[in-house]
Amino acid sequence: GAGVSQSPRYKVAKRGQDVALRCDPISGHVSLFWYQQALGQGPEFLTYFQNEAQLDKSGLPSDRFFAERPEGSVSTLKIQRTQQEDSAVYLCASSPGAAAFFGQGTRLTVV
Amino acid sequence: KQEVTQIPAALSVPEGENLVLNCSFTDSAIYNLQWFRQDPGKGLTSLLLIQSSQREQTSGRLNASLDKSSGRSTLYIAASQPGDSATYLCAVVPYYGGATNKLIFGTGTLLAVQP
Repeated sequence: GAGVSQSPRYKVAKRGQDVALRCDPISGHVSLFWYQQALGQGPEFLTYFQNEAQLDKSGLPSDRFFAERPEGSVSTLKIQRTQQEDSAVYLCASSPGAAAFFGQGTRLTVV
Repeated sequence: KQEVTQIPAALSVPEGENLVLNCSFTDSAIYNLQWFRQDPGKGLTSLLLIQSSQREQTSGRLNASLDKSSGRSTLYIAASQPGDSATYLCAVVPYYGGATNKLIFGTGTLLAVQP
């Protein structure tokens, strides 16, 4: 595809539900990042993949958050037992090197 | 810990005016600095990337400068247009010596250009 694609665009979850957010990076991009953007704030780093290897997960807020990229392409961010403070826009970015290319994000609302 | 601050938080200008957005960061050990644009409900669009060894980058009506030693960057927009209205985000890639090129973002400047 032409850019980074994320799905779904919007997700409403009841508190306690598990959710899975998908990211299709630009073909050939080795690096993949997940960020969390709360309302009125800048994005905050969650985790980083180089191909299929998760090299940095220091930004994941709790053990309820899990990310994978099993074949070095598509990535999934999973949030277990969602809580209201998880409500945010989740952004995925891929990169061939220095510049980062972002998807449109998934807006998660936990009710 | 690297922190990025953007001033002002919001700015409203009449069409045609030149304007400057400011970004400051606390640790000068960075690989690069990037400026992004974010439209409501959309992802981020990269505008300019300045490597740590560079002083400025230009693209069309946009010019970004970097003074790494003082921890500052500015984004200059010439002859502003209503279509420039968006949130502008500044981000740095800190040099931690690790493999991650993660971005540390400021909270953004919300720009409104009035027709």
